[in-house]
Amino acid sequence: DIQMTQSPASLSASLGETVSIECLASEGISNDLAWYQQKSGKSPQLLIYAASRLQDGVPSRFSGSGSGTRYSLKISGMQPEDEADYFCQQSYKYPLTFGSGTKLEIK
Amino acid sequence: EVKLQQSGDELVRPGASVKISCKASGYTFTNYAMYWVKQSPGQGLEWIGTIIPLIDTTSYNQKFKGKATLTADKSSNTAYMELSRLTSEDSAVYYCARRDVGKADYWGQGVMVTVSS
Repeated sequence: DIQMTQSPASLSASLGETVSIECLASEGISNDLAWYQQKSGKSPQLLIYAASRLQDGVPSRFSGSGSGTRYSLKISGMQPEDEADYFCQQSYKYPLTFGSGTKLEIK
Repeated sequence: EVKLQQSGDELVRPGASVKISCKASGYTFTNYAMYWVKQSPGQGLEWIGTIIPLIDTTSYNQKFKGKATLTADKSSNTAYMELSRLTSEDSAVYYCARRDVGKADYWGQGVMVTVSS
């Protein structure tokens, strides 16, 4: 199985700050990577797919980058509504696997 | 508007089975596969399996083979997941999510399954 190592596990940021979350795959996943946001008590919501494509309706302060085994999610200008858990997920090979998540809080 | 409406929370006895539904609306049900995902309390996400309703084909995470059975009813645009021989390890929230080219673009609201005597 492809292991997705996500870091950091938790993060606190001030409003307006830029934050980054990383995922490292145990093997190359050819940009088959998505990022999800999950607010407390809610379902995950798709933010980014194919490593860098912004899902319709997602604010442009969210961006994704990376290649090979290393991928990152950036939030340019933290907003109150961005406080949530974030997960990466690879779809390159079955079984699909997720990162362990990053809890993002407002400082 | 795409919507995935899941059935209600369940309290079940150890050793029993439970069947969860996921009713799709707002799109052509047979044009997309459906993922099922487990989220254990305070834990991350695990992919259980995928069903392609058009051809009734399933793919399972080896970890959930024998535990989960995925089916779909094209006449009612509903996907189902049955979990069998339940134990406390199966207590979790279970989601269905529409698959669109490697991404889960719409998710159901989740079903909390609690296994307790």
